[in-house]
Amino acid sequence: DVKVTQSSRYLVKRTGEKVFLECVQDMDHENMFWYRQDPGLGLRLIYFSYDVKMKEKGDIPEGYSVSREKKERFSLILESASTNQTSMYLCASSSDRGLSKNIQYFGAGTRLSVL
Amino acid sequence: AQSVTQLGSHVSVSEGALVLLRCNYSSSVPPYLFWYVQYPNQGLQLLLKYTTGATLVKGINGFEAEFKKSETSFHLTKPSAHMSDAAEYFCAVLGGGSNYKLTFGKGTLLTVNP
Repeated sequence: DVKVTQSSRYLVKRTGEKVFLECVQDMDHENMFWYRQDPGLGLRLIYFSYDVKMKEKGDIPEGYSVSREKKERFSLILESASTNQTSMYLCASSSDRGLSKNIQYFGAGTRLSVL
Repeated sequence: AQSVTQLGSHVSVSEGALVLLRCNYSSSVPPYLFWYVQYPNQGLQLLLKYTTGATLVKGINGFEAEFKKSETSFHLTKPSAHMSDAAEYFCAVLGGGSNYKLTFGKGTLLTVNP
């Protein structure tokens, strides 16, 4: 089974802190994604990466950055956390190959509260 | 650009009743379509997907969806609801400028009443 692991289920941070959300996948997937999920808004793509050190902005990249130094790991960084970044963050990965091509596999999510 | 509209943010059914969750999409290219389910405090998991071929797609837990190109729809159905089906359901479309990105609908929360 594909496993996507997010390092924290719950995080509480203060306004202005730098926050790192970590995601690791164990299936050698090329693509990795970060979404935020808010009630009534569904999932919105923040950033994605289709290869090591490669990244593309999604629909709502402002206030976020990402890092992908290794294929299995994709980090989301909040440079200076703000209260409007309180949300559920979901990481996903997908492959370009085989029967599961383009199916995104999700982690359990990190619920971030910024106070 | 792709977009997905899920009609009804909240659907309530009785146990044993038909489940129908509606999804309409727009896509500039032949779409790949997905339904995902999210149980409380969990991530999303794939229910089913349509890529090419047979337009009626069967998924896990007794769900199925039919791709109707003329109606740009991909509605999700299940003949008989179980209490365990209570969850949030998301329709998504892949395609367009990037082959990797999914565009999600805003979700439909399904409540199953005893």
